[in-house]
Amino acid sequence: EIVMTQSPATLSVSPGERATLSCRASERLRDYLAWFQQQPGQAPRLLMYGASTRATGVPARFSGSGSGTEFTLTISSLQSEDFGVYYCLQYDEWPLTFGQGTRVEIK
Amino acid sequence: EVQMLASGGGLAQPGGSLRLSCAASGLPFSSYGMGWVRQAPGKGLEWVSAISASGGATYYAGFVQGRFTVSRDNSKNTLYLQMSNLRAEDTAVYYCAKLFSSGTFNNFFDYWGQGTLVTVSS
Repeated sequence: EIVMTQSPATLSVSPGERATLSCRASERLRDYLAWFQQQPGQAPRLLMYGASTRATGVPARFSGSGSGTEFTLTISSLQSEDFGVYYCLQYDEWPLTFGQGTRVEIK
Repeated sequence: EVQMLASGGGLAQPGGSLRLSCAASGLPFSSYGMGWVRQAPGKGLEWVSAISASGGATYYAGFVQGRFTVSRDNSKNTLYLQMSNLRAEDTAVYYCAKLFSSGTFNNFFDYWGQGTLVTVSS
């Protein structure tokens, strides 16, 4: 199975600053990579798919990039509602696999 | 508005069984693949299973090992997960989720229900 590794485990960011989250795949993907945000006590929310396509209603401060085995989620100017845990998901092949998550916390 | 309400969780003994249900509304249920993702307490997300729009194709994570069966009733807009031979490590919140399109290959979850907690303990 494809192993997804996210870094860092925790990212401390001040509101208004830029946040860069990384996701590495153990095998090359065909850009079938999605990002999710999860806040405490809530279900995950889709942010990005196809590595760089924002889901409906996702603010433009979120952007995705990358290809092959290295992918990045960037939040250009962190807002208070952006704090939480972010997961990447590869859907290139079965089994679907998630990264272990990056926690974005207030600095 | 798409809504998915998962139910059926609770306390089960090791080796026991539970059947989870997920009632969907606000979407043409029979047009989309569906799936289950779980999250152990304090841990990350783990994909469990997926089923095509028609129900004709099903997929499972390796740890399922024949213990879980995913199914759907399109006449009732409901997704199911029959779980048997439960283990302590199956303790988790189980989320039902809608796939972006009708197929299952190269597909991802775009809407998630709130989840139902399964606790396996003696």
